[in-house]
Amino acid sequence: DQQVKQNSPSLSVQEGRISILNCDYTNSMFDYFLWYKKYPAEGPTFLISISSIKDKNEDGRFTVFLNKSAKHLSLHIVPSQPGDSAVYFCAATRSSGDKLTFGTGTRLAVRP
Amino acid sequence: GAGVSQSPSNKVTEKGKDVELRCDPISGHTALYWYRQSLGQGLEFLIYFQGNSAPDKSGLPSDRFSAERTGGSVSTLTIQRTQQEDSAVYLCASSAGTSIQHFGDGTRLSIL
Repeated sequence: DQQVKQNSPSLSVQEGRISILNCDYTNSMFDYFLWYKKYPAEGPTFLISISSIKDKNEDGRFTVFLNKSAKHLSLHIVPSQPGDSAVYFCAATRSSGDKLTFGTGTRLAVRP
Repeated sequence: GAGVSQSPSNKVTEKGKDVELRCDPISGHTALYWYRQSLGQGLEFLIYFQGNSAPDKSGLPSDRFSAERTGGSVSTLTIQRTQQEDSAVYLCASSAGTSIQHFGDGTRLSIL
């Protein structure tokens, strides 16, 4: 049972444009959501997170939006840069410090 | 360094052998997690240690898998009688009790 889904395995975007990565979840007990970025042969690196009491969190070029009623979140990267090319994982958890449930990832390619 | 350290970075072994994977978490982090990523998949939770509490072993796929955490710091994941389906990248993460987990670069395990 895939509780966190990233339905787009890949995305290609022109440098300078917006990248939008999507994530859906099924478990209504999830109350904290995270995005991780992963380069080949490296571990995932934390990018940005959002609590279920918010609908938006922004950090520089990265913004995460949460739509609880739709059980959907998205990561916006503006403007996209070639160094953003990586695999992005969405993750969710039920309580602070608990295990994370991950999606299968979206590979982002930013074209110069 | 100050990050999560895992060893070995790569391990190739024959089917049926036992393997031990090591994780050295960030100093002071009370929580330690093991995940694995099979080819083309997301990260799959295996086991989680929080302080002196009993570990959450709910993600271990079979009784061939076990883990321990000595002195509240270093952890070892042991896989007995390895099978080809055990081939994956095994990732360790630690956290200071929040939802943000910091990952090591993983051990790439290949079973021949």
